Amino acid sequence: DTAVSQTPKYLVTQMGNDKSIKCEQNLGHDTMYWYKQDSKKFLKIMFSYNNKELIINETVPNRFSPKSPDKAHLNLHINSLELGDSAVYFCASSAGLADTDTQYFGPGTRLTVL
Amino acid sequence: SQKIEQNSEALNIQEGKTATLTCNYTNYSPAYLQWYRQDPGRGPVFLLLIRENEKEKRKERLKVTFDTTLKQSLFHITASQPADSATYLCALDFSGNTGKLIFGQGTTLQVKP
Repeated sequence: DTAVSQTPKYLVTQMGNDKSIKCEQNLGHDTMYWYKQDSKKFLKIMFSYNNKELIINETVPNRFSPKSPDKAHLNLHINSLELGDSAVYFCASSAGLADTDTQYFGPGTRLTVL
Repeated sequence: SQKIEQNSEALNIQEGKTATLTCNYTNYSPAYLQWYRQDPGRGPVFLLLIRENEKEKRKERLKVTFDTTLKQSLFHITASQPADSATYLCALDFSGNTGKLIFGQGTTLQVKP
């Protein structure tokens, strides 16, 4: 069984379009995250939710909007896509917010904006 | 500002040797440090967590040390195998119990048979 799953795995779209990436975890975790990994492989946190409540909101353009319909799901919607949004986006989850709560990552969604 | 640095150059070693990767951090005193492995096209996978008072932690062929005076963690893989080839990331929670991990840029290890 896949612990953290994301769809789609690949997403190719034109500039200006709106797209969504879905994430689901079946680990029973309370906390979920979105990360962006750029071409230089830096992995940077974008958002986190704990029990459907927004905890972390890094300096991300407001074109990016996370939505958590329940604890097991955290979706990422991106409006007016730009070339610079091209990256791999990873969803992750953890049991909670403690330092010892390790994070489980999904397989990633490679977004290419043309 | 808080910073994590890993050697961005790839590390190439011969099978059977010990690989040692370095993670340095500045302007912070974390209570925990984590190491993850990332294979091409996949998400990071948690390997080990070490607490500030643990100095050293082992798991099978993996060993992590944590020197809070030097602000450095070393990650060792003994008897390395080609299957160990991957990128290894260290991560710190700089914000204390927020789940906000800051990752280093990772070091790519290539183990040659």
